[in-house]
Amino acid sequence: KAGVTQTPRYLIKTRGQQVTLSCSPISGHRSVSWYQQTPGQGLQFLFEYFSETQRNKGNFPGRFSGRQFSNSRSEMNVSTLELGDSALYLCASSLTSGRRDNEQFFGPGTRLTVL
Amino acid sequence: AQSVTQPDIHITVSEGASLELRCNYSYGATPYLFWYVQSPGQGLQLLLKYFSGDTLVQGIKGFEAEFKRSQSSFNLRKPSVHWSDAAEYFCAVGPYGGATNKLIFGTGTLLAVQP
Repeated sequence: KAGVTQTPRYLIKTRGQQVTLSCSPISGHRSVSWYQQTPGQGLQFLFEYFSETQRNKGNFPGRFSGRQFSNSRSEMNVSTLELGDSALYLCASSLTSGRRDNEQFFGPGTRLTVL
Repeated sequence: AQSVTQPDIHITVSEGASLELRCNYSYGATPYLFWYVQSPGQGLQLLLKYFSGDTLVQGIKGFEAEFKRSQSSFNLRKPSVHWSDAAEYFCAVGPYGGATNKLIFGTGTLLAVQP
């Protein structure tokens, strides 16, 4: 069974640009969560999608947005990039949402560098 | 507020020595607790999880963790460390807030293994 796929793996952008990251969950999984990982702030929850609906959103500015498609693939978009957006962006897939015994499987991440 | 504390930022152990990584949590209800490991350039891999029942849980790669409600702790242990265990380890609590898969992570402990 294929794992969680994230594309691209590495990305370099300049300030002010926008970027779109993609996450393909494990086949059959309907929930996708996104996390930002930085040395200073650690792992922070961005948002979660389940069956194309946003279930929860972390404390990030409106420049960060996401969506989920009918095949459960998810994208996140960051507009007007800032230097502080440089991070590893991880997505996690899960069968369902809200069940406390859910296991979440993480992808390898997309390393975004903003110059 | 819910939070996870990993007091040790960096730990170095000798190969073959025992290991204990500390994790303390603050959570209003009965916590669901996780330990993840992250190797360089990789995503997060689940080592073990605690939901209920036996407070000593076994995980993959020879790791175990003990849930102690009185101390609000969920420390990770391994009796004999291998060089391949060098990685960053994250404790997490969740899901938080009802119908969501959101996890709250600690800041991580970086483990170095010396020959």
